[in-house]
Amino acid sequence: DTAVSQTPKYLVTQMGNDKSIKCEQNLGHDTMYWYKQDSKKFLKIMFSYNNKELIINETVPNRFSPKSPDKAHLNLHINSLELGDSAVYFCASSRSPGKYEKLFFGSGTQLSVL
Amino acid sequence: AQKVTQAQTEISVVEKEDVTLDCVYETRDTTYYLFWYKQPPSGELVFLIRRNSFDEQNEISGRYSWNFQKSTSSFNFTITASQVVDSAVYFCALSSNDYKLSFGAGTTVTVRA
Repeated sequence: DTAVSQTPKYLVTQMGNDKSIKCEQNLGHDTMYWYKQDSKKFLKIMFSYNNKELIINETVPNRFSPKSPDKAHLNLHINSLELGDSAVYFCASSRSPGKYEKLFFGSGTQLSVL
Repeated sequence: AQKVTQAQTEISVVEKEDVTLDCVYETRDTTYYLFWYKQPPSGELVFLIRRNSFDEQNEISGRYSWNFQKSTSSFNFTITASQVVDSAVYFCALSSNDYKLSFGAGTTVTVRA
């Protein structure tokens, strides 16, 4: 069983559309994250949830809205997609939000906005 | 603010050569953690090692070794006798009091047969 799974793996869509990426972890972790990796491979945190509560909210356009229905799931909804949203989005989880925690990553969702 | 710098963008070596990846970090916090992650061509990010700021002991794990030097704010990573399967992007990362894992820009390692 995959520890952190995210769907879809590829997402191709038109500008202006709304799309969602789903993430699930079966590790029993309390904390989940969304990271964005741009075309130069730079990774930046977007959001973090601990036990369904938002604890990190980076400077991200409010078109991006995370939702955590339970601590095993963290979804990312994106409204009014723009060309600049094209990137790979990674979901990750850790046992706790502690700075010592290692992160377990999903395999990524390649989003292409045309 | 914290910052991680990986000055080497790309490194290309022939199989069996050793390769060292540099990582320099900046933080004002006295307690922090350093990490290395590997991103193979398949795309997923895999944890390799974690080091806390109070533990400057170097570590070796198989062909991988890490050299942490607080005096120079560096946490370098060496792959000994590289293999084609080592080809990947390697990220150094830092986590301190803001609880955010900050990544360096990554170093792409290509090992040629």
